[in-house]
Amino acid sequence: NAGVMQNPRHLVRRRGQEARLRCSPMKGHSHVYWYRQLPEEGLKFMVYLQKENIIDESGMPKERFSAEFPKEGPSILRIQQVVRGDSAAYFCASSPDRTNPYEQYFGPGTRLTVT
Amino acid sequence: TQLLEQSPQFLSIQEGENLTVYCNSSSVFSSLQWYRQEPGEGPVLLVTVVTGGEVKKLKRLTFQFGDARKDSSLHITAAQPGDTGLYLCAGEKGGSEKLVFGKGTKLTVNP
Repeated sequence: NAGVMQNPRHLVRRRGQEARLRCSPMKGHSHVYWYRQLPEEGLKFMVYLQKENIIDESGMPKERFSAEFPKEGPSILRIQQVVRGDSAAYFCASSPDRTNPYEQYFGPGTRLTVT
Repeated sequence: TQLLEQSPQFLSIQEGENLTVYCNSSSVFSSLQWYRQEPGEGPVLLVTVVTGGEVKKLKRLTFQFGDARKDSSLHITAAQPGDTGLYLCAGEKGGSEKLVFGKGTKLTVNP
């Protein structure tokens, strides 16, 4: 899973600021997924994207959160006006194509701390 | 509602012992994955099982998918300290392409 790159690895934001988390999928992978892991909780699905398309955002909070996967460049998870409850580890995963969508490979995560 | 229940939540054993951890659900999954996660890192895919009753072996690790595709188990033979970590199961429901995770079993193997 070293092929999935996430940055930054650690991010500290004050309440009310914006957080931008980046994810570069493995080479050849066109499907990107974002998950959130809260302390003592399992990973929770947030959003599934393909290039320039949001396929499933059923796990995204309705407000302040958005995601994109542009034609060029990494996928971005954006959190506006962060609150303390947003503190968590955010993981990106990628998979190759529709023949094996269930094999998702995870990046190292971004640990967001809101002070 | 936790779709996938993992047990035990914590397990501490001595090097050389055998162990089994479980992943149970009332739902049917198209496939089920096992991951291992170490502190500060992302989950690492160990195996994917797809067919009911399927058994897969990865060195000292044996994975089984239940006949009804609702549950799975991971058996480790002769555990080593390097096996220490958080073991996560994740299920995929057909057509969804998103994974549902259990909370994990935190395994500690003492030398």
